[in-house]
Amino acid sequence: DQQVKQNSPSLSVQEGRISILNCDYTNSMFDYFLWYKKYPAEGPTFLISISSIKDKNEDGRFTVFLNKSAKHLSLHIVPSQPGDSAVYFCAASASGTSYGKLTFGQGTILTVHP
Amino acid sequence: GAVVSQHPSWVICKSGTSVKIECRSLDFQATTMFWYRQFPKQSLMLMATSNEGSKATYEQGVEKDKFLINHASLTLSTLTVTSAHPEDSSFYICSARDIRKGTYEQYFGPGTRLTVT
Repeated sequence: DQQVKQNSPSLSVQEGRISILNCDYTNSMFDYFLWYKKYPAEGPTFLISISSIKDKNEDGRFTVFLNKSAKHLSLHIVPSQPGDSAVYFCAASASGTSYGKLTFGQGTILTVHP
Repeated sequence: GAVVSQHPSWVICKSGTSVKIECRSLDFQATTMFWYRQFPKQSLMLMATSNEGSKATYEQGVEKDKFLINHASLTLSTLTVTSAHPEDSSFYICSARDIRKGTYEQYFGPGTRLTVT
């Protein structure tokens, strides 16, 4: 039962353009969402997060949007850079669950072409 | 800030032996540490959650007698793979969180590649 889904296995974008990565969830108890970036053979790096009381959070080139009614969140990267090429995971947590356990999506491979 | 290290970064061992992996939070106190496993081209699978000074909580399907977890201090957790077999070969990643901060961010170590021959 995939409670967090990233339906696009890969995304290819031109340098300087916007990258939009999407994530859907099914568990209505999730109230905190995070995005991580991961390179092969390395641990994930935290990028940005959003609480369910907000619908947008921005940090530099990264913006996360949350649509609770649709159970959907997205990560916008503007402008995209070749160094952004990596696997991006969205993750979700529900307050009150075991010590903030995260449920991860399957990941989306982002490739930014120069 | 929020740096997590893992040691070793890679290890090769023979079938039937045990391997210990260390996870350390270098610049913060980790009240909670998590151990994940990642298979090629797949997502991170949570194996267990450990809290300093108490027993780990294992996810369904994870053998607690095979994957021994110890969280003896606020900066160190260890995962011991006992009697390792080739099917235990994988990429193991730990993460750490300071629950007292009230946020859900977990900070990940660089991972350990285990190969069992």
